Amino acid sequence: DQQVKQNSPSLSVQEGRISILNCDYTNSMFDYFLWYKKYPAEGPTFLISISSIKDKNEDGRFTVFLNKSAKHLSLHIVPSQPGDSAVYFCAASGISSGSARQLTFGSGTQLTVLP
Amino acid sequence: GAVVSQHPSWVICKSGTSVKIECRSLDFQATTMFWYRQFPKQSLMLMATSNEGSKATYEQGVEKDKFLINHASLTLSTLTVTSAHPEDSSFYICSAPQGGDYGYTFGSGTRLTVV
Repeated sequence: DQQVKQNSPSLSVQEGRISILNCDYTNSMFDYFLWYKKYPAEGPTFLISISSIKDKNEDGRFTVFLNKSAKHLSLHIVPSQPGDSAVYFCAASGISSGSARQLTFGSGTQLTVLP
Repeated sequence: GAVVSQHPSWVICKSGTSVKIECRSLDFQATTMFWYRQFPKQSLMLMATSNEGSKATYEQGVEKDKFLINHASLTLSTLTVTSAHPEDSSFYICSAPQGGDYGYTFGSGTRLTVV
């Protein structure tokens, strides 16, 4: 049972245009969402996050939108640059019984920005 | 910023041997370390959560006798793949929460190939 889903395994965008990566979740206990960027054979690097009390968070070229009623979030990158080409993972976190929150990851979307 | 040093970055071993992967938090104390496994073009799957000074918590379906986790200090967590088989070949990544509830720092990952 995938609690975090990224239904598009790949996305190609022309340089300078907007990239929109989508993510859906099913667990209503998730209250914090993160996007990570990953290159092959490297660990994920944090990109941007959003708390469930917000519906938008912006950081430079990156904006994350959260629609709680639809259990949907999206990452917008504008303008897209060739260096943005990587796999993007959506991750969600919620209250857990442990002392630290676990992350549940989507399956990732390979973004390719064409020059 | 916070850094988690993971090594080795890649390792090739023979079937039946054991391999140890280390993750060190360099400039912060990691009371918790998450261990993930990633198959090609798939999501990061949480294997286990290690807590300093106590037993690790394993996710359903993960063999605790095969994937030995030790978290002996606040800066070091290790994952030992025992009696490795080719199906254990994968990309293993550790992650530590740092600074509040929402920051996670990932190691650079270990590519394990069992021949």
